[in-house]
Amino acid sequence: AAGVIQSPRHLIKEKRETATLKCYPIPRHDTVYWYQQGPGQDPQFLISFYEKMQSDKGSIPDRFSAQQFSDYHSELNMSSLELGDSALYFCASSLDPGLAGGPDTQYFGPGTRLTVL
Amino acid sequence: KQEVTQIPAALSVPEGENLVLNCSFTDSAIYNLQWFRQDPGKGLTSLLLIQSSQREQTSGRLNASLDKSSGRSTLYIAASQPGDSATYLCAVRPAAGNKLTFGGGTRVLVKP
Repeated sequence: AAGVIQSPRHLIKEKRETATLKCYPIPRHDTVYWYQQGPGQDPQFLISFYEKMQSDKGSIPDRFSAQQFSDYHSELNMSSLELGDSALYFCASSLDPGLAGGPDTQYFGPGTRLTVL
Repeated sequence: KQEVTQIPAALSVPEGENLVLNCSFTDSAIYNLQWFRQDPGKGLTSLLLIQSSQREQTSGRLNASLDKSSGRSTLYIAASQPGDSATYLCAVRPAAGNKLTFGGGTRVLVKP
């Protein structure tokens, strides 16, 4: 079965550079989520999109922005990178979370490991 | 603010023993609770999802229970195998909104 695809899988950047992470959800999934997992930490929710609109927002820095496109893929743009941004960035997708009684299991991608030097 | 706690943080058992992993959450207004497995440096694999109206879910050797009123969920893994060694995370989705709040995970080692 098709899974969530994230690219690139690994990314090395210098401080103050920018990075763009891409996420391709499972086919027919209309909701995308971004999470950040620092070393030895649990994943922290950043932002989510449903039908190309931002649906929820967590602890996402102002230096970060994201969007969902018409084909439902999503991109997380990170500017003025800091050392503390080094982490594993996960994208997850699900079906419409508002579907009454429907399952809305979030399926996670393999993650993009970002290292900021 | 929802807080999710998993105890113990680490667990080591001999092969064949049953595993019992605990997850507690402070706000009982949840929509569902999801259990994940994470191998070192890898992604999250969804194991089970329990809706707030359900008491338990089963998949093969895995069984997860949910007591929403007391803010607890337990993941049981029967007849553990070395391949079950991983970190297990629980995450709750609130009644309003769709972000998941994760616990710190339980790192499991099953010794052959």
